[in-house]
Amino acid sequence: NAGVTQTPKFQVLKTGQSMTLQCAQDMNHNSMYWYRQDPGMGLRLIYYSASEGTTDKGEVPNGYNVSRLNKREFSLRLESAAPSQTSVYFCALGRTDTQYFGPGTRLTVL
Amino acid sequence: GNSVTQMEGPVTLSEEAFLTINCTYTATGYPSLFWYVQYPGEGLQLLLKATKADDKGSNKGFEATYRKETTSFHLEKGSVQVSDSAVYFCALILQGAQKLVFGQGTRLTINP
Repeated sequence: NAGVTQTPKFQVLKTGQSMTLQCAQDMNHNSMYWYRQDPGMGLRLIYYSASEGTTDKGEVPNGYNVSRLNKREFSLRLESAAPSQTSVYFCALGRTDTQYFGPGTRLTVL
Repeated sequence: GNSVTQMEGPVTLSEEAFLTINCTYTATGYPSLFWYVQYPGEGLQLLLKATKADDKGSNKGFEATYRKETTSFHLEKGSVQVSDSAVYFCALILQGAQKLVFGQGTRLTINP
């Protein structure tokens, strides 16, 4: 996971609260991704960014927003958290043939 | 659509046993295929990959061969160790696409 940092590592929210998950890289990759991991469902793509200033929806974007203000950082925001958003969130980056994943953020929404 | 199906887990083996984790795919083109591994408490790491039919990816004693005729990419290892305990994900990406498609993951536990 060297080169990809995620903060925080753990978070507990109440329904309706907001928060931002941060991802930063020092690997100089253009493409960055946000996934969620749920038991028995593998990883599902929430949003991705092919380059600074651009973002696109993935498989499960509802309830999330993202921001890619510079090449190094890609943030994921939950405006009004719901229990269905309880999950482990992974940031990833890299070329299409090799992706590098961060250590993850474990989010619980009560 | 494009999808990846892995064998149901969890899989529990004894140390030094032979491992096979099945993976089949459906794709509207010619994908590259991957195995990622997730150790407890960590993010995913690329284990091996194959970019065209009949290619064999290998790493850390693991192997997988890209079989176009059976649309499969099964993961194998001849003698597993306790340290191989992890969750294994099969994935594909279509040529020119930006997004990986993952299988649901298979949890492997190796007992000493």
